[in-house]
Amino acid sequence: AQSVTQLDSQVPVFEEAPVELRCNYSSSVSVYLFWYVQYPNQGLQLLLKYLSGSTLVKGINGFEAEFNKSQTSFHLRKPSVHISDTAEYFCAVTRMDSSYKLIFGSGTRLLVRP
Amino acid sequence: ETGVTQTPRHLVMGMTNKKSLKCEQHLGHNAMYWYKQSAKKPLELMFVYSLEERVENNSVPSRFSPECPNSSHLFLHLHTLQPEDSALYLCASSQDPNSPYEQYFGPGTRLTVT
Repeated sequence: AQSVTQLDSQVPVFEEAPVELRCNYSSSVSVYLFWYVQYPNQGLQLLLKYLSGSTLVKGINGFEAEFNKSQTSFHLRKPSVHISDTAEYFCAVTRMDSSYKLIFGSGTRLLVRP
Repeated sequence: ETGVTQTPRHLVMGMTNKKSLKCEQHLGHNAMYWYKQSAKKPLELMFVYSLEERVENNSVPSRFSPECPNSSHLFLHLHTLQPEDSALYLCASSQDPNSPYEQYFGPGTRLTVT
């Protein structure tokens, strides 16, 4: 079975500072990896995904993530955050042979302060 | 309307009531999903429909009954719920359940069971 761990439940950061949100996964088979964002009172929106190829994936709103197979990690980064980036961020994995079945982490709340 | 819409946005019901949640996608997708999002817990996949056929029932209690009359509409019928069923119920759709396409989420229905 697959599982996803997001160790940080909340990450406070000042505006224009860099941020990294950590995600580790466990799986005995090959997986696809995703980051979703949820703004208050809204559904989830895809930030980026890793399917294959380059391990550095760029997404929307200036976010990027790096797939590290040996460390089974898929950390999300942004070099300079804005107040509007305050939201809940979810890492998710899915098996390559059942790619509709997203397994989500428990989420990390990013709180950007002025 | 665009994207994925859900009605109602908020619902309060007693344990003996019967109610239904509605989801509609305006994206021409072939797959639709129900998720449960509880506080402090990862999102849980409940049901998956592909071309109006249920392909996944993730050990959900029978007091939750899904219905997919066509590829654009998805319902979740609720009866004799428990207080622990209070949560945000999210609907999503994707182009093809067998490929790692992006899942598009609705804003959710906030359900409170009293």
